[in-house]
Amino acid sequence: DSGVTQTPKHLITATGQRVTLRCSPRSGDLSVYWYQQSLDQGLQFLIQYYNGEERAKGNILERFSAQQFPDLHSELNLSSLELGDSALYFCASSLGRDTGELFFGEGSRLTVL
Amino acid sequence: DQQVKQNSPSLSVQEGRISILNCDYTNSMFDYFLWYKKYPAEGPTFLISISSIKDKNEDGRFTVFLNKSAKHLSLHIVPSQPGDSAVYFCAAGDTGFQKLVFGTGTRLLVSP
Repeated sequence: DSGVTQTPKHLITATGQRVTLRCSPRSGDLSVYWYQQSLDQGLQFLIQYYNGEERAKGNILERFSAQQFPDLHSELNLSSLELGDSALYFCASSLGRDTGELFFGEGSRLTVL
Repeated sequence: DQQVKQNSPSLSVQEGRISILNCDYTNSMFDYFLWYKKYPAEGPTFLISISSIKDKNEDGRFTVFLNKSAKHLSLHIVPSQPGDSAVYFCAAGDTGFQKLVFGTGTRLLVSP
């Protein structure tokens, strides 16, 4: 158990819809990262938050947005969903803002029909 | 642009033998490298890391080798055990670690 909690574990929705994925980092960790893993792809970095503020941005679509709340949990919002958005979305956390060792949650599997 | 490549999607090894997983990178700014292991229905878990000032790091049965001139790193598992069967991801980052770049993973199967 990494200590990172992601909900929901599975989500099935239709094209054009909007979903929110939730992540609670390990106790004491200030950084939250979001990664997307599509079929047969590596983990694609989406975005990082550190102590409530956006720190780094990767290949995140404009239809996607995220935020980190004062209690340090984070949400990833995916809107106008397309079939290609079907993927595993992982949240990870780390203590500081600059560290290579990330602790991952079990992921949220999104299926868009 | 695939900055971190794991060209072998899968590897099969017998229990007790050595497993060698390979990873190549293209960005010379990377100065920190990690290996993660992932079991089905679980998130990736950190396994071992190496900084660019070293060429080898060992932790029990796991050793990571870094060849900076070739932009290549490898993970050796000796001896391999059936419980090592998982997908292994190579990851690389630059100073500041603002984001880790992951490879596509190698599925290792260790048979008894």
